[in-house]
Formats: sequence, structure tokens, C-alpha cells
Amino acid sequence: KAGVTQTPRYLIKTRGQQVTLSCSPISGHRSVSWYQQTPGQGLQFLFEYFSETQRNKGNFPGRFSGRQFSNSRSEMNVSTLELGDSALYLCASSLTSGSVNEQFFGPGTRLTVL
Amino acid sequence: GQNIDQPTEMTATEGAIVQINCTYQTSGFNGLFWYQQHAGEAPTFLSYNVLDGLEEKGRFSSFLSRSKGYSYLLLKELQMKDSASYLCAVGGGGSYIPTFGRGTSLIVHP
Repeated sequence: KAGVTQTPRYLIKTRGQQVTLSCSPISGHRSVSWYQQTPGQGLQFLFEYFSETQRNKGNFPGRFSGRQFSNSRSEMNVSTLELGDSALYLCASSLTSGSVNEQFFGPGTRLTVL
Repeated sequence: GQNIDQPTEMTATEGAIVQINCTYQTSGFNGLFWYQQHAGEAPTFLSYNVLDGLEEKGRFSSFLSRSKGYSYLLLKELQMKDSASYLCAVGGGGSYIPTFGRGTSLIVHP
């Protein structure tokens, strides 16, 4: 069974631009969560999608948004990029939502904002 | 909110045993995860504890004490490939989404 895939793997943008990251969960998994990982803050939860609906949201500004499609694939968008948005963005999929589940992580997208 | 604390860095010798501690404060605890993350790679699941006690899985064991808000990950017969970051993640605070600690970077040397 294929794992979680994320595209692109690396991205360089400049301040003020916007970016869209993509995540394809493991086949059959319907929950997709997004995390931001930085050396200073560790792994921080952005949001979770299940059945095309945002189920949970972390403490990030509205510049961070996402969506999920009917095939469970998910995209994350960051608008008006800031230098502090430079980070590894990880996507994790799990079978269901609403209870504690093992999460399977993708390789991440390394975003650099110049 | 939740507060998770784990050491930033640890070093150990190949073949030895190392214990990585994680302490947490949360309401409505509903489980604790340990993940391993090699540099530049995705975190991978190691263990899940929801009841007190020790869970053993090969060279890795994880222990939980809910009353003390404490867990540890025990790695035996260390190998060089065990050099990685180990993330403790706690579910609770009214959410099933786990909160991650900042991770412990383990360096195994010959």
C-alpha cells in the first residue's frame, strides 16, 4: 500500500507571495491533518479535514487555510507569506476522525520564504 | 492547554540502553504516542499508551504513568541507525488531536 505523498517536496517563495501544498493520504484513509514543524516550536497542528470538512483547527492566523476533496486528497494554502512561515509542512493521514488514531506522516514539503 | 516536556538532546553509546523521558500536563488524557523522526524524513509511529504500564515492542518499550503525567521510551541494544529525534505526543484537553513535544534528539556514537 502506498504511503502518504506530498508535493512539492521543496519550495522557495518570497515574502508576500502565496503557496499551495498538496497531500494524498493512504488509500482508504479519510482524515488528513496538517502540521508545521520548525526547530524552535516543534510540530504544531494546523488543521484536520475529514469528509471534505474541517474538523479541527490549531492556533494559526487566517492566512493558513486548507480544503479536502472527495477523494480525500487535501491542499493547504498560505497567503501573504512571511519569513516566519519557513518550515517543514507535514501532512498526516489516519483512517477515521473523532478518536485517537495512529497517524501516518508524509515526507513533508520544505518551504523557504526569502 | 497542554504542556509537554522532554529533553532536547541525549547521547548514548552503541549497544547501550537509553531512556527518553516525557512529562506532560493535560486534562482529559486520552493517550500518548511516541514517534521517531530521522533527519529530513517523516515521523514514524513507535508506540501508543493509554493505560498505565509498560508496552514492549522488540528493542523499544514505552511506559506510562497517568497519575504522574509521565512516560518514557526505552531503547535497548542501541544501533547507529537509532540516531534520530524522538517525539512524544499527548492526546487530551478535550481533543483527540495529539499535541507534540519539541522532540529529543538522540545521538548514538560508536
